[in-house]
Amino acid sequence: NAGVTQTPKFRILKIGQSMTLQCTQDMNHNYMYWYRQDPGMGLKLIYYSVGAGITDKGEVPNGYNVSRSTTEDFPLRLELAAPSQTSVYFCASSLQGDQPQHFGDGTRLSIL
Amino acid sequence: EDQVTQSPEALRLQEGESSSLNCSYTVSGLRGLFWYRQDPGKGPEFLFTLYSAGEEKEKERLKATLTKKESFLHITAPKPEDSATYLCAAHGSARQLTFGSGTQLTVLP
Repeated sequence: NAGVTQTPKFRILKIGQSMTLQCTQDMNHNYMYWYRQDPGMGLKLIYYSVGAGITDKGEVPNGYNVSRSTTEDFPLRLELAAPSQTSVYFCASSLQGDQPQHFGDGTRLSIL
Repeated sequence: EDQVTQSPEALRLQEGESSSLNCSYTVSGLRGLFWYRQDPGKGPEFLFTLYSAGEEKEKERLKATLTKKESFLHITAPKPEDSATYLCAAHGSARQLTFGSGTQLTVLP
């Protein structure tokens, strides 16, 4: 079983560039999430979705956008990359909001 | 505001030396307390969910317990393969997981 798949695994961007981080899950989960993880900090929620067509902001949404056109896919868009967005990004999914979340292996993003 | 604090930040144990990791939480309307294991370069891997004070869950050398203010992850006779970062997260009335910053466990052979 693939679970939650994130691409790319690594990426280096220049300041001001844009990119999309891809996330897909094959568990038919309703909920999907995007987190960022910085050294010494806990995971911070960027955006989440409770189902196709429905998204909502998390704790740190500024500088990011998401869409959820299908149950399986939840891409994260960075429009104008800034050095503060250098981080490791994790996508996760769960069947319901109070159920365990299953994580992908992350995208390591550096903005130079 | 929901808060989760884990201690210690790092812990080094000899193989077979049992210990406990602490997770203190301030969450309104706790809906669940989650423990995850994270290996370097990987995403968090789910271990346990605890829903009410007094509840305990066990898996191999790990046992998680929950009180109204804290959760503990007890590690009995650890092995080097138990080395990882252990994350605690609380799900409250805000309907979002609040994560602690983790405890980095190293078990020496």
